[in-house]
Amino acid sequence: NAGVTQTPKFRVLKTGQSMTLLCAQDMNHEYMYWYRQDPGMGLRLIHYSVGEGTTAKGEVPDGYNVSRLKKQNFLLGLESAAPSQTSVYFCASSYGKIMNTEAFFGQGTRLTVV
Amino acid sequence: KQEVTQIPAALSVPEGENLVLNCSFTDSAIYNLQWFRQDPGKGLTSLLLIQSSQREQTSGRLNASLDKSSGRSTLYIAASQPGDSATYLCAGYTGANSKLTFGKGITLSVRP
Repeated sequence: NAGVTQTPKFRVLKTGQSMTLLCAQDMNHEYMYWYRQDPGMGLRLIHYSVGEGTTAKGEVPDGYNVSRLKKQNFLLGLESAAPSQTSVYFCASSYGKIMNTEAFFGQGTRLTVV
Repeated sequence: KQEVTQIPAALSVPEGENLVLNCSFTDSAIYNLQWFRQDPGKGLTSLLLIQSSQREQTSGRLNASLDKSSGRSTLYIAASQPGDSATYLCAGYTGANSKLTFGKGITLSVRP
């Protein structure tokens, strides 16, 4: 039972480069989330999805795009990376139902933009 | 807008002590509250989920309570061990915006 898997685990980008982070879950969850974690800032929501084909903005969406073409996958894209996007990125998923909102997290992607 | 606060930011206790970690939130319309553990350089591990219809949940040496009227949740750790050293985060789920709002966490150090 893999749970939530993030790819890659580490990446170094040059300013202006683009990349896509992949999140895959095998729990048939409806809701998926992308967070970034920075020292002193805690976890902040970038984008989220409440089902296949849907996406919505979180607290800090600028500079990121997302897609949820398949229920099990949630992709986070950086079109033109900036040093301010150096962070640890976490994906999470949950059933999303009020009585069952337990969220499960991936192991994170450590991204450095130089 | 839901805001979640965890104070203090860090805590150091001797092994064997019983301790309480606090979490406060501003929106009493919170549905559920979840406690997580995060080890350095790792992801978040779910510890306990308290649904709005519940007042507490227990797992082993951990007990979490939820008081929506006062806007507080507590995580009680009995007989702390050095292996409990980690950062503990609480997160509130408010159904209106379908997302979890996190506190900044409490970094716990249990001294042998």
